[in-house]
Amino acid sequence: DAGVIQSPRHEVTEMGQEVTLRCKPISGHDYLFWYRQTMMRGLELLIYFNNNVPIDDSGMPEDRFSAKMPNASFSTLKIQPSEPRDSAVYFCASSSTGTGVPNEQYFGPGTRLTVT
Amino acid sequence: GENVEQHPSTLSVQEGDSAVIKCTYSDSASNYFPWYKQELGKRPQLIIDIRSNVGEKKDQRIAVTLNKTAKHFSLHITETQPEDSAVYFCAARRNFGNEKLTFGTGTRLTIIP
Repeated sequence: DAGVIQSPRHEVTEMGQEVTLRCKPISGHDYLFWYRQTMMRGLELLIYFNNNVPIDDSGMPEDRFSAKMPNASFSTLKIQPSEPRDSAVYFCASSSTGTGVPNEQYFGPGTRLTVT
Repeated sequence: GENVEQHPSTLSVQEGDSAVIKCTYSDSASNYFPWYKQELGKRPQLIIDIRSNVGEKKDQRIAVTLNKTAKHFSLHITETQPEDSAVYFCAARRNFGNEKLTFGTGTRLTIIP
């Protein structure tokens, strides 16, 4: 398996523009997580899905952020409109639950977002 | 919700010496505690984890200990090597009903040759 795939790897955009980050989880994994990492705030969970259904979006900073998971193999995180303070590395991770015990979260390579 | 505190934020040790990173958590229902290593510019990767029915777990030079009564757990790296230099994150999670991992703030470990 290729692991968790994220695109783009780098994104530079101007303030006010819409940004869409994409993630393909590991095949067969039923949990998908979106994290944001900054020097100031560390690694923050934004939202996570189970079987394509959003379970907890309490980490989403504000209404400018939205996430979808239309099927088991694809998820998007959208920021509209983007602001300079959104600059960060965004990680997607996935995991599976086998025999009722949760397993390791596998992280994607991340998308480095810079908003100017 | 869960709160995980991690100390120290930075740690420098001489190559060959041991390094210890400590974390405390607040939710007594947490029973899964992974440790992730993140090298510069890379993704976090799991290096070891421990579940609440175990007090200690070891994998070669890395060990993790858990004290559920005190709600703290620690990462121990022995015979440190330059490739151990990275940021280490602890995390805590309930096993069932909530897959949310709460991460500590990270420890930047530097191994001095």
